[in-house]
Amino acid sequence: EAQVTQNPRYLITVTGKKLTVTCSQNMNHEYMSWYRQDPGLGLRQIYYSMNVEVTDKGDVPEGYKVSRKEKRNFPLILESPSPNQTSLYFCASSFESWGTEAFFGQGTRLTVV
Amino acid sequence: EDQVTQSPEALRLQEGESSSLNCSYTVSGLRGLFWYRQDPGKGPEFLFTLYSAGEEKEKERLKATLTKKESFLHITAPKPEDSATYLCAVQALIIQGAQKLVFGQGTRLTINP
Repeated sequence: EAQVTQNPRYLITVTGKKLTVTCSQNMNHEYMSWYRQDPGLGLRQIYYSMNVEVTDKGDVPEGYKVSRKEKRNFPLILESPSPNQTSLYFCASSFESWGTEAFFGQGTRLTVV
Repeated sequence: EDQVTQSPEALRLQEGESSSLNCSYTVSGLRGLFWYRQDPGKGPEFLFTLYSAGEEKEKERLKATLTKKESFLHITAPKPEDSATYLCAVQALIIQGAQKLVFGQGTRLTINP
């Protein structure tokens, strides 16, 4: 089954404790991205990757890191999480950068206390 | 600045009562407009892509249309299972070869039996 898999689905952590949210897709997609979804603000892009070893910032990259060492995986790293990073996070992938629909993961609900 | 505005924010209908959701946008060089459905606690699920003014797409009780400034999602004789948040997104150019999806806030649709 074609899918984007995120882990964990739920995470509660403390301020400053490094964490990684994993994302994997099995569709051989070139383009992957991370979004956060907040009430009243909608979905906003954090980082994107056009291919292996090619990543760049989206609209809200502060406090986040990503890497793309393999085509299928695109982890999101929070080196020192803060409460304002409490949010619902989605990973997405698409076959190409333009004109093709994005497939979204199930989401990771992160709470930073 | 690229912007997507959806209206209404919330809509409550009776089963069988047809209506339309609106998505107005300002983006430099539209490359695609997407409609997604999002159920509570889940990732957005792709519905339609529209590329040019005058284009229409249909799927079951849903029909999406596109003009130069807005898109409509028409829902005909809806059922309770159509209850969800409907998201509109446009592709915007970041740099040559790279794009991002700019999302609207969504319309939360509730269909009462």
